[in-house]
Amino acid sequence: AQTVTQSQPEMSVQEAETVTLSCTYDTSESDYYLFWYKQPPSRQMILVIRQEAYKQQNATENRFSVNFQKAAKSFSLKISDSQLGDAAMYFCAYRSASFGNEKLTFGTGTRLTIIP
Amino acid sequence: SAVISQKPSRDICQRGTSLTIQCQVDSQVTMMFWYRQQPGQSLTLIATANQGSEATYESGFVIDKFPISRPNLTFSTLTVSNMSPEDSSIYLCSVPLQYNYGYTFGSGTRLTVV
Repeated sequence: AQTVTQSQPEMSVQEAETVTLSCTYDTSESDYYLFWYKQPPSRQMILVIRQEAYKQQNATENRFSVNFQKAAKSFSLKISDSQLGDAAMYFCAYRSASFGNEKLTFGTGTRLTIIP
Repeated sequence: SAVISQKPSRDICQRGTSLTIQCQVDSQVTMMFWYRQQPGQSLTLIATANQGSEATYESGFVIDKFPISRPNLTFSTLTVSNMSPEDSSIYLCSVPLQYNYGYTFGSGTRLTVV
């Protein structure tokens, strides 16, 4: 079974600075998808960014980018120019690419605090 | 992207009773997922609901405790039966997004059992 590990329960960053959240995963599969989700206090799960394992290029969405290291099974999220609205729980998630196994496996989450 | 309407948003229930949570999607989807998020913790998959067949439950979750209904491709319900305080959690439904392999989530139901 796949597992997802987030080793940083809490992180804090000064507003406008850059922060990196770590995620590692364990799988025997070669094709899969990785996601970062944000959960603010409203508890709504918001998709931040996704990465297909077969793509070597790291995904980028505006101020959010990932460092995907397939061999190391690492998938970190970098948030640039941090804003107060970025404060939330961040969850890393894994999804197999195999048909019939579309469920998400989540890490334990990292609580990000933005310091004004 | 699909939009999910989840109800109720929160409820406080007496132990021993049952609560049914509804998710309505604005488009047809094959699969719907139900998750539990215990206080301060991550999301754990309860079951996968496919239209026209019985739900597939994850280890540790049973149909008698969490019966699921999936009458059509846009609607599903999750019932939390014979509740105890340990069932106090946020329950979320989720459906896959087309083409970009992401998922959208309902706004969650915060359940407190007293």
